[in-house]
Amino acid sequence: NAGVTQTPKFQVLKTGQSMTLQCAQDMNHNSMYWYRQDPGMGLRLIYYSASEGTTDKGEVPNGYNVSRLNKREFSLRLESAAPSQTSVYFCASSENGYEQYFGPGTRLTVT
Amino acid sequence: RKEVEQDPGPFNVPEGATVAFNCTYSNSASQSFFWYRQDCRKEPKLLMSVYSSGNEDGRFTAQLNRASQYISLLIRDSKLSDSATYLCVVNVDGGFKTIFGAGTRLFVKA
Repeated sequence: NAGVTQTPKFQVLKTGQSMTLQCAQDMNHNSMYWYRQDPGMGLRLIYYSASEGTTDKGEVPNGYNVSRLNKREFSLRLESAAPSQTSVYFCASSENGYEQYFGPGTRLTVT
Repeated sequence: RKEVEQDPGPFNVPEGATVAFNCTYSNSASQSFFWYRQDCRKEPKLLMSVYSSGNEDGRFTAQLNRASQYISLLIRDSKLSDSATYLCVVNVDGGFKTIFGAGTRLFVKA
C-alpha cells in the first residue's frame, strides 16, 4: 500500500516550458488536492477534486490546470512555466474531505 | 489579514518542557480543524483533529474555542523527536477547501 505517490520528485524547467505533475493514490479516496508550499507561506491550495469528475479552484489557481483522470489519479499541468511557480508541490487525498494524506512532494525550479 | 494565523516561532525548548501553540482563524463558517506536523523537507502528516470539547492524544492536547475562533496545541514532556513545524489547518466549504497556517517551528534541545 503506497498511499499517495507523486512524479517526478525534482524538476527544473525553463521559463515558458510546460509540464505535468502526476499524482496517484491507492486508498480509494474520493477527494484529491494540489498544494504549493513556499517559504514562510505555508501550504496554499491550488485546485481540488471533491469526487471523480469534478474539479474546483482553490486559493491560487492562476497558471495551472488540473485533470481528475479517474478515481486514483489527479494531475497538475503548468502550460507556460514562470519563475514565480518555483515551489514545492504536494498532492493529497482524503476519504471524506477532512483528514488528508500527502504525497512526498515535487520540487520544481523554473529558471 | 491571513485566514489562519499562527505564532511565528521558532520555539526553542529543553527536553521535558511544556510548550503551547496558538492559532486563530477568520472564517466563522469553518467546519473542521486539525493540527499537522511537518518534518524538514517532508510532507505534512496529520497529528490530530481538534474537537469542540477538546481532545488529548498522549502528550498532545488540542483545544477549540469557536466563539473566539481560536485553536491551541499543548505538548507536554517535549522530546527531541517533537522538533518539527506544526501546522494549524481549517476546513471550509463542506470540508473540501482547506486553509493552512504558515506553521510554527519547534526545536527541542537536549
